[in-house]
Amino acid sequence: EADIYQTPRYLVIGTGKKITLECSQTMGHDKMYWYQQDPGMELHLIHYSYGVNSTEKGDLSSESTVSRIRTEHFPLTLESARPSHTSQYLCASSAPSLPRGEQYFGPGTRLTVT
Amino acid sequence: GDSVTQMEGPVTLSEEAFLTINCTYTATGYPSLFWYVQYPGEGLQLLLKATKADDKGSNKGFEATYRKETTSFHLEKGSVQVSDSAVYFCALSAAGGSYIPTFGRGTSLIVHP
Repeated sequence: EADIYQTPRYLVIGTGKKITLECSQTMGHDKMYWYQQDPGMELHLIHYSYGVNSTEKGDLSSESTVSRIRTEHFPLTLESARPSHTSQYLCASSAPSLPRGEQYFGPGTRLTVT
Repeated sequence: GDSVTQMEGPVTLSEEAFLTINCTYTATGYPSLFWYVQYPGEGLQLLLKATKADDKGSNKGFEATYRKETTSFHLEKGSVQVSDSAVYFCALSAAGGSYIPTFGRGTSLIVHP
């Protein structure tokens, strides 16, 4: 059973607000990822981390930022939300013990910016 | 670069029908291949995987065989249920490459009673 949590599950917020989407995992996985999922369901990698104090940008340009101060925690922050940020955000994790490409996903946060 | 191509959806079937969702890939070497499933309102979860040519992955009545000669990993199920309605993602990870998989664009499956 995968133990990866995301909060909030749903968020409606006004333009210009600062928000943080939380992601935590209890499996001790060293690698964590953030994906943005568009309405057509396609996944876009926006950030990833291969360990504490390590963060990288993904394939899709994003105005969000991430931090990795603890192994189990990988929050994503939007300093000033805009309607274009409306999307589903999925957090995932993996470990060296797993085959490359095998990831565990959280339930997602559906963000709506009005 | 690596890529995964899935058939476009939605795929609409009646309960107990046979399911095939096509997936082909482009990669160097011998990648690992995966099918993930996303049920409504949830994140993705691994459905099955195959790590070498001719391997067959199976789970919950779903099967897929790693075909190196046709660079394919088609998902099949003999008799679908309404509860199988979900989005299915084919993915690959290149041998010795990044831990980040390359996903296909997803195929929506709708099963009617």
